[in-house]
Amino acid sequence: DTAVSQTPKYLVTQMGNDKSIKCEQNLGHDTMYWYKQDSKKFLKIMFSYNNKELIINETVPNRFSPKSPDKAHLNLHINSLELGDSAVYFCASSKQGWDSPLHFGNGTRLTVT
Amino acid sequence: KNQVEQSPQSLIILEGKNCTLQCNYTVSPFSNLRWYKQDTGRGPVSLTIMTFSENTKSNGRYTATLDADTKQSSLHITASQLSDSASYICVVSALNAGNMLTFGGGTRLMVKP
Repeated sequence: DTAVSQTPKYLVTQMGNDKSIKCEQNLGHDTMYWYKQDSKKFLKIMFSYNNKELIINETVPNRFSPKSPDKAHLNLHINSLELGDSAVYFCASSKQGWDSPLHFGNGTRLTVT
Repeated sequence: KNQVEQSPQSLIILEGKNCTLQCNYTVSPFSNLRWYKQDTGRGPVSLTIMTFSENTKSNGRYTATLDADTKQSSLHITASQLSDSASYICVVSALNAGNMLTFGGGTRLMVKP
């Protein structure tokens, strides 16, 4: 199936740990994104990558770092996890063009204890 | 400041009934507005896109409207089904570098039998 897939679906970890979330898309899209959805369900952009270049970074702490080994992958690394990092993280991709929709993965629920 | 506000925050209706969700925005300059459906535990999926020149667009039982003068959009669901239970998110794109997206907080719809 063509899709955006992210792993793991659930991640429970303790404060101070370092963790990674992986994302892969086989849609052939040029741009990939990471979004954070908080408890109030607002989706906020964290990063986007276009052809392996970071083009958006919305005041995200530098504990968060995106890594894109190729156009089909955009992984999210988080260092020194804090309680406030608990949220659902969504990976997405899109074609270039103003009218192209975002294609989202099914999210990774991160719980920091 | 670009903002998207949705109402109501939540809505419960009986199966078979119609409902209308509202989206007001202050995004400028306006490029397009998209409605997404987010099922529980899943990523959002695009339902429809509205551009400046479009007033109404239908996608099955979903009909979106746009009034660019008052900066309002609505999503009307006809003959609701249990599978319509989801969050509906309004996303507005600005006509600037990178087509910056502004997300609404969503309306959580529950359809009861």
